Amino acid sequence: DIQMTQSPSSLSASVGDRVTITCRASQSISSYLNWYQQKPGKAPKLLIYAASSLQSGVPPRFSGSGSGADFTLTISSLQPEDFATYYCQQSNSLPITFGQGTRLEIK
Amino acid sequence: QLQLQESGPGLVKPSETLSLTCTVSGGSISSNNYYWGWLRQPPGKGLEWVGSISYSGDTYYSPSLKSRVTISLDTSKNQFSLKLSSVTAADTAVYFCAAYARRSLDYWGLGTLVTVSS
Repeated sequence: DIQMTQSPSSLSASVGDRVTITCRASQSISSYLNWYQQKPGKAPKLLIYAASSLQSGVPPRFSGSGSGADFTLTISSLQPEDFATYYCQQSNSLPITFGQGTRLEIK
Repeated sequence: QLQLQESGPGLVKPSETLSLTCTVSGGSISSNNYYWGWLRQPPGKGLEWVGSISYSGDTYYSPSLKSRVTISLDTSKNQFSLKLSSVTAADTAVYFCAAYARRSLDYWGLGTLVTVSS
């Protein structure tokens, strides 16, 4: 199985901050990396697919980059609605695997 | 726009079989545009992929659950289903159904909590 490791596990930030979350795969996954946002009691929501493509309807302050084994999710200017947990997920090979999540909290 | 909704018992006894159904609207489960999957999330923990099924019925299961999982399609009802046998407390989780388009989980159901307890 491909292991996905996110860092940090939690992060405190303020509205307006620029935030970066990192995801590392245990082997190369090309660009088969997706990012999701999950709020308490809700289903995950797809933000970024194929490492850097913005899902329709997602604000452009979200961006993704990377290929191979190292990826980042960046939020350029945090908004109040962005405080949530973020997960990376690889779709290069089965079984599909997720990072452990990054909890983004208000400072 | 696809919509998915999970249904099934919220409480299952240990050693019994968990059965859930996902009803799809806004598209056909026989369409070759999508694969269909189940995921779960234990309370306070991260996401785990349970398994998937293609529009033609090919199945793919998590190795850790493979011996206990069955996913199937019911094209007449536009539904797909999950069965997980011999459940224990470790199977207590919110179960989500989802649809894949471009190797990403584009659409999700709201999730349903299944508790394993006597």
